[in-house]
Amino acid sequence: ETGVTQSPTHLIKTRGQQVTLRCSSQSGHNTVSWYQQALGQGPQFIFQYYREEENGRGNFPPRFSGLQFPNYSSELNVNALELDDSALYLCASSFFGRAVGEQYFGPGTRLTVT
Amino acid sequence: DAKTTQPNSMESNEEEPVHLPCNHSTISGTDYIHWYRQLPSQGPEYVIHGLTSNVNNRMASLAIAEDRKSSTLILHRATLRDAAVYYCILRDRASGTYKYIFGTGTRLKVLA
Repeated sequence: ETGVTQSPTHLIKTRGQQVTLRCSSQSGHNTVSWYQQALGQGPQFIFQYYREEENGRGNFPPRFSGLQFPNYSSELNVNALELDDSALYLCASSFFGRAVGEQYFGPGTRLTVT
Repeated sequence: DAKTTQPNSMESNEEEPVHLPCNHSTISGTDYIHWYRQLPSQGPEYVIHGLTSNVNNRMASLAIAEDRKSSTLILHRATLRDAAVYYCILRDRASGTYKYIFGTGTRLKVLA
């Protein structure tokens, strides 16, 4: 059973640019959630994808968007990058339908915006 | 969304038990109590969850107050590898999303 993987591990972008982060969910999982974690803070929920559609969103602007593919992998896209977007971006997978809903997190992508 | 309150930091000696408290006074009847921990340079890791009764697994125990307004994560014998940030999270089992509301958690320091 493979765990959640994310790529790239680190990324440096310039303000105004666009970025795409990738996530492969754990085998057997059909739901992917994305979180943003600023330094010294807990993760903040961005959105969740199930059956290739957004299924829940946190307090993030529309320039944060995502995709889920038929194999349940996912992308997070951020347009018009701002300095405050510098953070660790975490992907978590789970199996929709389990009431408990424990999530399995990847190691994250560290994004730095200069 | 119901919120949780945890102490910012705690210390423990190695091989001693650790009790990490969490207050969740606005918990609803459909909320599960989840605990996750985040080791340095890693994503959060599931530790344990419960609804009403106390729970045990290989990693820890979860003690839930009778009124469910607080809970305690118990590490029976802390090791240096248990040094991490511990998050107490409420997850609405009636919700169709797995939206976790993380606080700032409790940073556990384990002393050798």
